[in-house]
Amino acid sequence: SQQGEEDPQALSIQEGENATMNCSYKTSINNLQWYRQNSGRGLVHLILIRSNEREKHSGRLRVTLDTSKKSSSLLITASRAADTASYFCATNDGGSNYKLTFGKGTLLTVNP
Amino acid sequence: DAEITQSPRHKITETGRQVTLACHQTWNHNNMFWYRQDLGHGLRLIHYSYGVQDTNKGEVSDGYSVSRSNTEDLPLTLESAASSQTSVYFCASSPRQGLYNEQFFGPGTRLTVL
Repeated sequence: SQQGEEDPQALSIQEGENATMNCSYKTSINNLQWYRQNSGRGLVHLILIRSNEREKHSGRLRVTLDTSKKSSSLLITASRAADTASYFCATNDGGSNYKLTFGKGTLLTVNP
Repeated sequence: DAEITQSPRHKITETGRQVTLACHQTWNHNNMFWYRQDLGHGLRLIHYSYGVQDTNKGEVSDGYSVSRSNTEDLPLTLESAASSQTSVYFCASSPRQGLYNEQFFGPGTRLTVL
């Protein structure tokens, strides 16, 4: 079953604008991760946020986590055409479990 | 440089045939995973392994099998291919040490079952 559900399914913006994608999940988690997938390629890890963290930054990426609402958001600031890709959230429920459960993804298009 | 490779990259087969997709990683990771990606479903876990001789079923394991005879390889076998197994297949690996581990993905295999 899908744990993470991204919203919106598709997002189209202009270069230089900010892009925000949201992820909701259903059960308690150990950590939540965001991945990017360029067309025809494998997924690439972007950032991981632990369940006891509320916000994390990496370059132009900002991730927030609200465990009380079981939701996370990924903000990409000052977007570039090269940011055009699908973005997936994935959850891990910890313990001795290394599996990830992925959402269906948000397709981001950044227009030059 | 360490990497994860998949072969073949593209495969066309017929219904009922046995097909094996290869996955090879050079990171010496204990954990390996197979996913399928379909429009409207995102990535779904097929099988996974946490070490040699260890295999586990994922969310959509029916019709698939894996075996782990060494650390580097986790081949995925479709025992009798069905049209519903037309998909893009991704292999991934992650280290076992630590509590917070990202997964590293291969480039994918596009499988068409006619």
